[in-house]
Amino acid sequence: GAGVSQSPRYKVAKRGQDVALRCDPISGHVSLFWYQQALGQGPEFLTYFQNEAQLDKSGLPSDRFFAERPEGSVSTLKIQRTQQEDSAVYLCASSGLGTSGRMDTQYFGPGTRLTVL
Amino acid sequence: GNSVTQMEGPVTLSEEAFLTINCTYTATGYPSLFWYVQYPGEGLQLLLKATKADDKGSNKGFEATYRKETTSFHLEKGSVQVSDSAVYFCALSQEKGGDGKLTFGQGTILTVHP
Repeated sequence: GAGVSQSPRYKVAKRGQDVALRCDPISGHVSLFWYQQALGQGPEFLTYFQNEAQLDKSGLPSDRFFAERPEGSVSTLKIQRTQQEDSAVYLCASSGLGTSGRMDTQYFGPGTRLTVL
Repeated sequence: GNSVTQMEGPVTLSEEAFLTINCTYTATGYPSLFWYVQYPGEGLQLLLKATKADDKGSNKGFEATYRKETTSFHLEKGSVQVSDSAVYFCALSQEKGGDGKLTFGQGTILTVHP
């Protein structure tokens, strides 16, 4: 089956514009994660969904960042009034239910590279 | 909080050389440890993992052993190939009892020359 897909792959926005980034997880995966990867750095956690419930949003850097997964499948990360420091690659990952209370492996999408001018 | 520290790169090796990329971590409890790899133009892929102390993860000739006493998870390969050129990320998560979010190191760029 298909892996995790993300769209668009590249997005250029002018400072102050709103953007929406889409993630299609692997079918049947209940867990969905968003990460932000700045140039030359490792990915940093933004938020986590289990089905449609957003259980952890501790990594969202400001209230300009908003994520949703209304039907427990596709997720959208929205950034309002983009700033230059928002320029990064945004990665989505999904995972299935593990056993014995342990999470399963996370599978990553190719990412969306956001450039804010 | 949790953190992961990787040896700084870039690392440049000749084909068939021995590879070590150091990784140490700080975490509460008993995290699971991972190495992810990012090949040029591709997304992050899981290379190997270990879920408890003294476990050894292995894949594609790479190995790493979960050392709780030294809080380390060093990546090794006995003979690298040009095709191993990529960025390698060490990571941890609290898979059991946690939400599984990954904490990554900063990444190590590996270049292998023929």
